[in-house]
Amino acid sequence: NAGVTQTPKFQVLKTGQSMTLQCAQDMNHEYMSWYRQDPGMGLRLIHYSVGAGITDQGEVPNGYNVSRSTTEDFPLRLLSAAPSQTSVYFCASSYSRQGLNSPLHFGNGTRLTVT
Amino acid sequence: GQQVMQIPQYQHVQEGEDFTTYCNSSTTLSNIQWYKQRPGGHPVFLIQLVKSGEVKKQKRLTFQFGEAKKNSSLHITATQTTDVGTYFCAGGTSYGKLTFGQGTILTVHP
Repeated sequence: NAGVTQTPKFQVLKTGQSMTLQCAQDMNHEYMSWYRQDPGMGLRLIHYSVGAGITDQGEVPNGYNVSRSTTEDFPLRLLSAAPSQTSVYFCASSYSRQGLNSPLHFGNGTRLTVT
Repeated sequence: GQQVMQIPQYQHVQEGEDFTTYCNSSTTLSNIQWYKQRPGGHPVFLIQLVKSGEVKKQKRLTFQFGEAKKNSSLHITATQTTDVGTYFCAGGTSYGKLTFGQGTILTVHP
């Protein structure tokens, strides 16, 4: 049982490049989400999904796209990377559709640097 | 939108001293969760509080949820070096989103 798996662990991009951060979970969780972590700002929600085919925006969605074609996978796409997107990205899942009364299980994170 | 403020941002203690971090929400919460993140790691769930005035304990950790369900605290008694890390609160509302506080970074000096 791997839990939440994120790839890659590290990535360096040049401004304007695009890329996809992968997230997969094997716990059959309906709720999945993406957070970014910046010093002094805690964890900010980018996008979330309450089930396959359903996605919604969080606090800081601009510059990011998501899709949820399967229960297991929730990739995060950076369309045109900017230095402001330099951050640590965490994918998290939980077994509740609401994600409300259920603990979040986090992946190990992706450290992204945009130059 | 909903805001969750957490203080202090940093706390340095000597091993054996107590530690407390506080969490305040701008809106009434339906539940609050606490997470711990070790240096270089990912957040790990500690506990969830749901009821007004609720108090829960995990060994040396005591968690409280305020009567108005707008604030919470985490208290660690007699800190140990294994307690180092960042402690986050996360407030949940009836419409289903969790909002994280900024976190408190705890350093324990042996």
